Amino acid sequence: QVQLVQSGSELKKPGASVRVSCKASGYTFTNYAINWVRQAPGQGLEWMGWIATNTGNPTYAQDFTGRFVFSLDTSVSTAYLQISSLKAEDTAVYYCARAVVVTISGQNWFDPWGQGTLVTVSS
Amino acid sequence: DIQMTQSPSSLSASVGDRVTITCRASQSISTYLNWYQQKPGKAPKLLIYTASSLQSGVPSRFSGSGSGTDFTLTISSLQPEDFATYYCQQSYRTSRTFGQGTKVEIE
Repeated sequence: QVQLVQSGSELKKPGASVRVSCKASGYTFTNYAINWVRQAPGQGLEWMGWIATNTGNPTYAQDFTGRFVFSLDTSVSTAYLQISSLKAEDTAVYYCARAVVVTISGQNWFDPWGQGTLVTVSS
Repeated sequence: DIQMTQSPSSLSASVGDRVTITCRASQSISTYLNWYQQKPGKAPKLLIYTASSLQSGVPSRFSGSGSGTDFTLTISSLQPEDFATYYCQQSYRTSRTFGQGTKVEIE
């Protein structure tokens, strides 16, 4: 079945970096973009951006430029989110999600989602 | 960016109740609107795409309607497993904004 499996929880100190992985299975990885979504504790969903898995071209939401990097390793069907110079306010669950797109209309939605990765930033 | 506003932010309802959640876009988005369900500690799950299409495997008590700026998610008869938070999301613009969520709680 189609699924996305993310790496485990991380505890990092302020100023450190973290990399979250998102491994896809059950479909052709390069046919669907991967989106990243953040959810701070007790808060809603915040779209971070996406990466085209056929070209590796990333697009970042306005609030996620600079310290956030999306990348791929297509040989293992895996997308990565790297966050550098971590701050306490980066503490959140990070989700990856596959974007399903209807080419003719441009309609698109996220399905499935990874199980989420909790990143905790604390000294 | 397109702003998505859901109402109410939370509601209390009983099993068997009909529940309606509204989502309003800050500009017209045609039917580029999706609904997700999130249970505590779990990832969001797609319920409705393109405003009114039911995702495979989702019970038929869920339905979506609307176009332009105003959209509705309806649960025709609330079941115990439906207590969760529901999010709308626009997919009209590259920046895929979500509503703030509606928490459905047991009355």
